[in-house]
Amino acid sequence: EAQVTQNPRYLITVTGKKLTVTCSQNMNHEYMSWYRQDPGLGLRQIYYSMNVEVTDKGDVPEGYKVSRKEKRNFPLILESPSPNQTSLYFCATAIPTSGTNEQFFGPGTRLTVL
Amino acid sequence: AQTVTQSQPEMSVQEAETVTLSCTYDTSESDYYLFWYKQPPSRQMILVIRQEAYKQQNATENRFSVNFQKAAKSFSLKISDSQLGDAAMYFCASEEAGTYKYIFGTGTRLKVLA
Repeated sequence: EAQVTQNPRYLITVTGKKLTVTCSQNMNHEYMSWYRQDPGLGLRQIYYSMNVEVTDKGDVPEGYKVSRKEKRNFPLILESPSPNQTSLYFCATAIPTSGTNEQFFGPGTRLTVL
Repeated sequence: AQTVTQSQPEMSVQEAETVTLSCTYDTSESDYYLFWYKQPPSRQMILVIRQEAYKQQNATENRFSVNFQKAAKSFSLKISDSQLGDAAMYFCASEEAGTYKYIFGTGTRLKVLA
């Protein structure tokens, strides 16, 4: 089954404790992206990657890091989480050459930073 | 810079009736894509419909159709014969072709009344 998986689905942590949210896809998509969703703000793009070893900043990259060492994985790293990073996070994938520009989303990760 | 505006935070519709969700956007590019995504209580992001800017014909997917007014930069979603399962948050999004930088609106919560 074609899918995008995220782990963990729920996480409660404390300020300053480094964490990683993983994203994995089995669709061989070149493009992967991270978003955060906040009430009243919609989804905002954090980082995206067009292919292995290629990453670019989205609209809200501050406080986040990503890496794309292999095609199927695109982890989101919070080196020193703060309460304002409490949010719902989505990973998404797409095929840049498909002509549809459709994104496929993971199930979301609810992060709470105390 | 791209912007997407959804001015209706919440809408209600009677079951079996028709409802239209509004979206306006701004872009300096001539080639771009527009999307409507549905987010039910499960939080999964589901693509409802997409429109290529160069296509004059409005996209249609079963009960869902769009009214794409390019000159007015308007992209509204019409849901016909509304069903209880249509109750969700709906997000309008745009992508300037080839950039893979997606901009989402703030969302419209649709309630379907039995």
